[in-house]
Amino acid sequence: GAGVSQTPSNKVTEKGKYVELRCDPISGHTALYWYRQSLGQGPEFLIYFQGTGAADDSGLPNDRFFAVRPEGSVSTLKIQRTERGDSAVYLCASSLYRDNEQFFGPGTRLTVL
Amino acid sequence: AQKVTQAQTEISVVEKEDVTLDCVYETRDTTYYLFWYKQPPSGELVFLIRRNSFDEQNEISGRYSWNFQKSTSSFNFTITASQVVDSAVYFCATTGANSKLTFGKGITLSVRP
Repeated sequence: GAGVSQTPSNKVTEKGKYVELRCDPISGHTALYWYRQSLGQGPEFLIYFQGTGAADDSGLPNDRFFAVRPEGSVSTLKIQRTERGDSAVYLCASSLYRDNEQFFGPGTRLTVL
Repeated sequence: AQKVTQAQTEISVVEKEDVTLDCVYETRDTTYYLFWYKQPPSGELVFLIRRNSFDEQNEISGRYSWNFQKSTSSFNFTITASQVVDSAVYFCATTGANSKLTFGKGITLSVRP
């Protein structure tokens, strides 16, 4: 079956602009996660959804970052007033239930000029 | 909070050598899960294994094996008879009472022909 998909694969934007990153999880997976990976580092947790609700958003770095999952499937990560420090690969993962193995998408490489 | 230490940063071996990747974790949770992921040059994280903290049995899957030692908080990964296709960054990770993955910094494995 289809894996986790993310669009766009690459996004280049200017400092101060707004961006949206989309994640399509594996069909039927109830849990969805966003991570951010900087060069040479392991992924860092941003937010976790169980169904439609954000169960844990403790990893969001500040209030410029927001994510939604309105119908319990597709999720969108939104970043306002982007800064150069936001440049990273944003990874989405899904799992059948919480604590199951998480399957990752290919990521969106965000570059803020 | 969980923490994962992967003390080795880069390992280089010649094809057919065995190689062990070390992972030490810290957690205050009594129930937790341990994971290994592979990130090949293409960039997509590939799930390899998930272990429950109550299951200390070692596991073998083809050329891969994992050694879980609760007494030393270690979850080491051995590749037997390494191949060039094993070249990648390998991440150890853990989840606890929350279900977010905490990753180590990764080990870059290079297998030379």
